[in-house]
Amino acid sequence: DVVMTQSPLSLSVTLGQPASISCRSSQSLVHSDGNTYLNWFQQRPGQSPRRLIYRVSDRDSGVPDRFSGSGSGTDFTLKISRVEAEDVGVYYCMQGIQWPYTFGQGTKLELK
Amino acid sequence: EVQLLESGGGLEQPGGSLRLSCAASGFSFSSYAMSWVRQAPGKGLEWVSAINYPGTVTHYADSVQGRFSISRDNSKNILYLQMNSLRADDTAVYYCARGDTAGHRKGPEYWGQGTLVTVSS
Repeated sequence: DVVMTQSPLSLSVTLGQPASISCRSSQSLVHSDGNTYLNWFQQRPGQSPRRLIYRVSDRDSGVPDRFSGSGSGTDFTLKISRVEAEDVGVYYCMQGIQWPYTFGQGTKLELK
Repeated sequence: EVQLLESGGGLEQPGGSLRLSCAASGFSFSSYAMSWVRQAPGKGLEWVSAINYPGTVTHYADSVQGRFSISRDNSKNILYLQMNSLRADDTAVYYCARGDTAGHRKGPEYWGQGTLVTVSS
């Protein structure tokens, strides 16, 4: 299985400050179709997961532009340019290159 | 509006069976891949099973292979998960999730609210 490793596992950020989460895969996520299948999800407390970004950097409809994704191959990053109160929750990366599709352990974002 | 409504969760004894259902609405169900993703209490997300849009191709996590079976009824817009030989480590919230027409490589865009399955004697 492709192992997804996130860091840090916990993040405490002041309102208005930036935040960054790293995700590393055990093998390349570049598919033969030319796409890189690395996706990011947010799970707010008590809610279902919500997809934020797919294929490394494509933002879902309705996702604020303070969220951005970057990276290539096996190393990826989710950045929040200015953290807001509604961003509190757990963030997961997910690979779609090989079944079983797998998630990272999750990074818990809280406010300082 | 896309809606995914799970049902069928509850308390079951080890070795027992449960069938989860997911009623879909707001989109052309028969055109989309569907899946089940679970989350044990206080833990992360684990993909359980996936099925393509016509129901001809299925995938299972190693942890449930041979015990769980995914299926769909495209005439009723319902996704199912038959869970047999349940174990304590199957205890989790089970989410129904929708992929796209090609599968789930981009991850589920839509998720249900989840149904809790508790396996305990």
